[in-house]
Amino acid sequence: DAGVTQSPTHLIKTRGQQVTLRCSPKSGHDTVSWYQQALGQGPQFIFQYYEEEERQRGNFPDRFSGHQFPNYSSELNVNALLLGDSALYLCASSLLGNYEQYFGPGTRLTVT
Amino acid sequence: ELKVEQNPLFLSMQEGKNYTIYCNYSTTSDRLYWYRQDPGKSLESLFVLLSNGAVKQEGRLMASLDTKARLSTLHITAAVHDLSATYFCAVVYNQGGKLIFGQGTELSVKP
Repeated sequence: DAGVTQSPTHLIKTRGQQVTLRCSPKSGHDTVSWYQQALGQGPQFIFQYYEEEERQRGNFPDRFSGHQFPNYSSELNVNALLLGDSALYLCASSLLGNYEQYFGPGTRLTVT
Repeated sequence: ELKVEQNPLFLSMQEGKNYTIYCNYSTTSDRLYWYRQDPGKSLESLFVLLSNGAVKQEGRLMASLDTKARLSTLHITAAVHDLSATYFCAVVYNQGGKLIFGQGTELSVKP
């Protein structure tokens, strides 16, 4: 049973560019959440998707947007990258209403 | 907004010793999680605590939850080097699945 997968593993971008990160949830899960983890800090909730709609959102600017596809996979898009966007981006999947969340391996984004 | 605070933030232990990490949270929540993170890696789920008085144990780690005090503890018994990692507690906010994480406790176990 494949767990949560994310791609790419690492990414280097320049300030002002745009980036797309991808996540495939664990088999049978229908909800995907995205978190940003800056170095030395705890993960911060970005948003959550269920049935292809954004269900909850954290305190992140509109530069951060997402999408969920009919197969439950999800993308995180970040526009106009800033140096401060450098972080580990984690995707977590769950079944709506179930308490277990499973985290993927993460995408390390470096903005130069 | 729900706030989660852990202490200590850094913990250097000797092998064989016992210690406790504390996690306080500011408003009512019905679920609390403990995760382990190794450097550069993702989060590994350790425990999910669902009710007041819940206690779970796995190897040298034991977690408990007191919802009235809004406090969870992660107790380490007879620490070994393999337990060196950063430990996070996280609380569900507003029953919506959004997790609010503590700052993390960086644990270093030395021989």
